[in-house]
Amino acid sequence: ELKVEQNPLFLSMQEGKNYTIYCNYSTTSDRLYWYRQDPGKSLESLFVLLSNGAVKQEGRLMASLDTKARLSTLHITAAVHDLSATYFCAVPYTGNQFYFGTGTSLTVIP
Amino acid sequence: DTGVSQDPRHKITKRGQNVTFRCDPISEHNRLYWYRQTLGQGPEFLTYFQNEAQLEKSRLLSDRFSAERPKGSFSTLEIQRTEQGDSAMYLCASRTGRGSPLHFGNGTRLTVT
Repeated sequence: ELKVEQNPLFLSMQEGKNYTIYCNYSTTSDRLYWYRQDPGKSLESLFVLLSNGAVKQEGRLMASLDTKARLSTLHITAAVHDLSATYFCAVPYTGNQFYFGTGTSLTVIP
Repeated sequence: DTGVSQDPRHKITKRGQNVTFRCDPISEHNRLYWYRQTLGQGPEFLTYFQNEAQLEKSRLLSDRFSAERPKGSFSTLEIQRTEQGDSAMYLCASRTGRGSPLHFGNGTRLTVT
């Protein structure tokens, strides 16, 4: 069974600082997805990474995928309060089952 | 694109009762998923439909759970003889083909008392 691990699980950072969230997975996959979830809300798609070396950027967030290392990173640049949320990575297994990590709860402090 | 719609938003039921949830996916999406999420955890896969065919089901899914997607449009998830451990957020998602992301609905929060 596929295991997806994220770290850190909790992240408290000051506005303006940079940080990286890591997502490791246990079996081969050439695709990975990042989602954001605000408290009490559903999940919103952030990035779709479809190949080794893929890099996507949106605003202060940048995601990358290294399929050989089975690792994806979500880098936050100059954090702002609006980025406070829980971030999940998800890896497809058998093509259609998506396995989610346990999430990284990010709090940006003014 | 009106988004994935789920009904009801909240459901409180007594242990032992049956409950049914509905999901209306984005109209052009042929793939539909049910997930369950508990507090502090990531979504857990329950089942997957492509059109009307239920192609995958989690091994963790009790036989008290059943899902249907008649005519490949909306889907229902039924839980029979609910238990307190069934309390969770039930999320429906849909997508088009390979490589496309899941689009989630707002979920149905189930509380079993």
